[in-house]
Amino acid sequence: GENVEQHPSTLSVQEGDSAVIKCTYSDSASNYFPWYKQELGKRPQLIIDIRSNVGEKKDQRIAVTLNKTAKHFSLHITETQPEDSAVYFCAASTANAGGTSYGKLTFGQGTILTVHP
Amino acid sequence: DAGITQSPRHKVTETGTPVTLRCHQTENHRYMYWYRQDPGHGLRLIHYSYGVKDTDKGEVSDGYSVSRSKTEDFLLTLESATSSQTSVYFCAISDQRGSYEQYFGPGTRLTVT
Repeated sequence: GENVEQHPSTLSVQEGDSAVIKCTYSDSASNYFPWYKQELGKRPQLIIDIRSNVGEKKDQRIAVTLNKTAKHFSLHITETQPEDSAVYFCAASTANAGGTSYGKLTFGQGTILTVHP
Repeated sequence: DAGITQSPRHKVTETGTPVTLRCHQTENHRYMYWYRQDPGHGLRLIHYSYGVKDTDKGEVSDGYSVSRSKTEDFLLTLESATSSQTSVYFCAISDQRGSYEQYFGPGTRLTVT
């Protein structure tokens, strides 16, 4: 089955700096890569996702890049703010509407991001 | 937040007792999932459902069973709880049409003593 490795496990930055979290996956059939943010005591919430037919996607201060050949994808947060402090999870799936994958997600281990004011 | 609730939100139980967690959705999504979250492991899939009465195992299904008799409800049962099942349990829903996003419930913190 799919295996997703996420690094680093903790990341500490100063406000205004950029933060990068990296993930690798093992199943070349994976085609959907979401990133979730989880604040302390809260549920995970999707912040950005990318499908395998594109190499990069941006949403304001957040961007995700995908390298299918190397089987890795990364989350980039620019101009970090204290409210970005949370645990971030990457995931991978062989999403296939109506197919047999059923949208099952395999998650990375998580990165605790701390943004210092 | 999508219309998804979990009950109970907190539970303490003793080793060997049965426990059932409930996930309820009002979004009419076809797919439902149960995950457990433990430090250092991220979220791991326990079981999932792709329709009423259609369920299958995830990567950490041992010691767990599920049932889905209605679109809106997905039950997770620990037949005989063990201390290793102490965890935070999240339910998620998805329709896998257009968007592949999974929406998570608020979680249930289960402690097995």
